[in-house]
Amino acid sequence: IAGITQAPTSQILAAGRRMTLRCTQDMRHNAMYWYRQDLGLGLRLIHYSNTAGTTGKGEVPDGYSVSRANTDDFPLTLASAVPSQTSVYFCASSDSTTPGNEQFFGPGTRLTVL
Amino acid sequence: GQNIDQPTEMTATEGAIVQINCTYQTSGFNGLFWYQQHAGEAPTFLSYNVLDGLEEKGRFSSFLSRSKGYSYLLLKELQMKDSASYLCAVSDSNYQLIWGAGTKLIIKP
Repeated sequence: IAGITQAPTSQILAAGRRMTLRCTQDMRHNAMYWYRQDLGLGLRLIHYSNTAGTTGKGEVPDGYSVSRANTDDFPLTLASAVPSQTSVYFCASSDSTTPGNEQFFGPGTRLTVL
Repeated sequence: GQNIDQPTEMTATEGAIVQINCTYQTSGFNGLFWYQQHAGEAPTFLSYNVLDGLEEKGRFSSFLSRSKGYSYLLLKELQMKDSASYLCAVSDSNYQLIWGAGTKLIIKP
């Protein structure tokens, strides 16, 4: 593994189903983030974690949950998917949250909820 | 509210220079980032400005004026591979990034 990996690459999901998007980084970064990217809108923060064992809500957290059991993994769960959650989901990490620390992004998961 | 504004789309010619502007209104300011995103790919870091002035990095330069809430990304000697979206993001008072919708740059031969 080099950098950040996400799985699956893409998924078509029936509304009402539960889905977990996986994210793993091997850079030993403290902070991790989940964004969604929709056409015409900027990246919007769903949830974040400043360090293992802690999580926080971003701009659009409703319908999503996260956990951070260790440094490397930061899964995002949709408890009961709805069509408005159709989007491209990016996981990102940074060494810390101090100013200037760039975020590194995974390749993304394209999710379609029907 | 927090707001980042960028032009939706710009077109430029190979070999030319293009300036992509970004204006922002955020709760607090801890720096401004520019990222590049090719279609279907992840964003990648280009630059970070926290003090006023110009930062130059090869063909790319980024400028910041905190008093005006304004930044621009300057791309010189444009190449076809520069066709991409350019995202402006501001680190707010909580060190969270607030993102603009991005500027799609189309390079023509």
